[in-house]
Amino acid sequence: AAGVIQSPRHLIKEKRETATLKCYPIPRHDTVYWYQQGPGQDPQFLISFYEKMQSDKGSIPDRFSAQQFSDYHSELNMSSLELGDSALYFCASSLGLGDRGTDTQYFGPGTRLTVL
Amino acid sequence: AQSVAQPEDQVNVAEGNPLTVKCTYSVSGNPYLFWYVQYPNRGLQFLLKYITGDNLVKGSYGFEAEFNKSQTSFHLKKPSALVSDSALYFCAVREWSNSGYALNFGKGTSLLVTP
Repeated sequence: AAGVIQSPRHLIKEKRETATLKCYPIPRHDTVYWYQQGPGQDPQFLISFYEKMQSDKGSIPDRFSAQQFSDYHSELNMSSLELGDSALYFCASSLGLGDRGTDTQYFGPGTRLTVL
Repeated sequence: AQSVAQPEDQVNVAEGNPLTVKCTYSVSGNPYLFWYVQYPNRGLQFLLKYITGDNLVKGSYGFEAEFNKSQTSFHLKKPSALVSDSALYFCAVREWSNSGYALNFGKGTSLLVTP
């Protein structure tokens, strides 16, 4: 079965540079979520989109922005990178049917961002 | 405060023995509870979820979890552990907050199954 695709899998950037992470949801999934997982930490919710509109917003820094496109893929744009942004960034997708909160999120393999 | 707690950082069990990974929650209203497993350098894999209905939920790879409302727990169990079950396990709760319907994870429990 098709899974969530994230690219790139690994990314190395310098401080103050910008980065763009891409996420391709499972076919027919209409909701995308972004999470950040620091070393030894649990994943922290950043932001989500439903039908190309921002639906929920978590602890996403102002330096970060994201959007969901007409083909449902999503991009997380990160500017003025800091050392503390080094983390594993996960994208998840779900089919937003029924009662909000009950849909299952399926996670991609993640993008490991290293800021030097 | 964490909405979901995993009291054990690590659980060790011998192969073939039953395993339990503990999770307790503290949310108002009806909790939507999930278990995910993370292998090294991999994404999170969905195991099972409780939304409503039968308190015993069966999931992938022989795992199951029991929702206990009186004890506010959702422990993950497997009757017979495999070495390949060794991984990091996350309990998560979906709840409404200022962030919207976020999935809040516990700190994770590292499961080590020894031969």
